[in-house]
Amino acid sequence: DGGITQSPKYLFRKEGQNVTLSCEQNLNHDAMYWYRQDPGQGLRLIYYSQIVNDFQKGDIAEGYSVSREKKESFPLTVTSAQKNPTAFYLCASSQQFPGEGYTFGSGTRLTVV
Amino acid sequence: AQSVTQLDSQVPVFEEAPVELRCNYSSSVSVYLFWYVQYPNQGLQLLLKYLSGSTLVKGINGFEAEFNKSQTSFHLRKPSVHISDTAEYFCAVIRMNRDDKIIFGKGTRLHILP
Repeated sequence: DGGITQSPKYLFRKEGQNVTLSCEQNLNHDAMYWYRQDPGQGLRLIYYSQIVNDFQKGDIAEGYSVSREKKESFPLTVTSAQKNPTAFYLCASSQQFPGEGYTFGSGTRLTVV
Repeated sequence: AQSVTQLDSQVPVFEEAPVELRCNYSSSVSVYLFWYVQYPNQGLQLLLKYLSGSTLVKGINGFEAEFNKSQTSFHLRKPSVHISDTAEYFCAVIRMNRDDKIIFGKGTRLHILP
């Protein structure tokens, strides 16, 4: 079945470390997105990519980096510059037609220890 | 720019009672509308969407929503809730025919009381 796979489901990071969250899709979607979710704050867009080798900053890109070398993959790196990285991270993808909406992965919960 | 307002951050309701989750949007152009559901520690799942045509849209798990253009609303309803409906619900909007991103509301947490 087609879908989006995020890994790992739970991730623990020491302060000062970079970590990379994986997002892979087999839906043949062109666009991919990363969101951060904190309690009571809804979804906040970190980065998005509409085509391979191109991506744009979202509303809260500081302290994060991404790459889009393959259509299927859109990894997110949480760098040591992100001061409060503990959150639930969601990856999504979409087709060109906006009426299809987004398909989401199951999320990665990152905790700084 | 478009925006989405979910008027209630939390809604408690007794099991088997009806529920309405409210959503209002703002946009200068025509939009597509969505409702997503998020169960604890999971991603978002599409409940239903309005693209065009009939203003009453039926989705999964017995939910339905009504598009009201004059009131710019897209409220979600279910005639009888079950404990398994405990989740967070997100209303979302995207402009038609634009190279754009979906805008999500801040979510409404539905608490089902036994």
